[in-house]
Amino acid sequence: GDSVTQMEGPVTLSEEAFLTINCTYTATGYPSLFWYVQYPGEGLQLLLKATKADDKGSNKGFEATYRKETTSFHLEKGSVQVSDSAVYFCALTSMFSGGYNKLIFGAGTRLAVHP
Amino acid sequence: DTEVTQTPKHLVMGMTNKKSLKCEQHMGHRAMYWYKQKAKKPPELMFVYSYEKLSINESVPSRFSPECPNSSLLNLHLHALQPEDSALYLCASSQDAGTPLHFGNGTRLTVT
Repeated sequence: GDSVTQMEGPVTLSEEAFLTINCTYTATGYPSLFWYVQYPGEGLQLLLKATKADDKGSNKGFEATYRKETTSFHLEKGSVQVSDSAVYFCALTSMFSGGYNKLIFGAGTRLAVHP
Repeated sequence: DTEVTQTPKHLVMGMTNKKSLKCEQHMGHRAMYWYKQKAKKPPELMFVYSYEKLSINESVPSRFSPECPNSSLLNLHLHALQPEDSALYLCASSQDAGTPLHFGNGTRLTVT
């Protein structure tokens, strides 16, 4: 079945460091890909998305490019801030029969940014 | 601020209690979802409602009973839960079946 694999955390960085969180996927067909972020005590927020190969999603300085040839969707940010500390989930949509979508999540990567 | 509102934020209940979780959205979304998230784990899908009809039940035990009274509201009725049901319960909505999900902040449930 469809699946998402993320790099294990926690990832610990100093403020203004470069961030990469790796994400690879296995899927039949052409899924849409997402990054969601979960801040402490909150639900998940959609960070960015890409719906087809070579699309680049971007938001709040974060970017990720849909790479079909490597089945990857790595998250990057050039300069992280303490406020970026959170858990980041890579996800894809997997279609049920009948057209309903199901989000398949990776295990999540905890990011801790220190001043 | 999230556009999907969940109440209560926290709930403690005994194994013989009956309680309900509530979720509301006013974005005109036609699909609504319940997810369960255990600590340090990703969310797991429980139920999907599409156009107020239950479309998907991911083999959830009958002690969890969903209800969709109208297109803006989604409830999860709880009865005879077990301590292992303690988790963060997340509601989400999407414009239709193929579009991104918008999550609420969740209800943190503790079963004693």
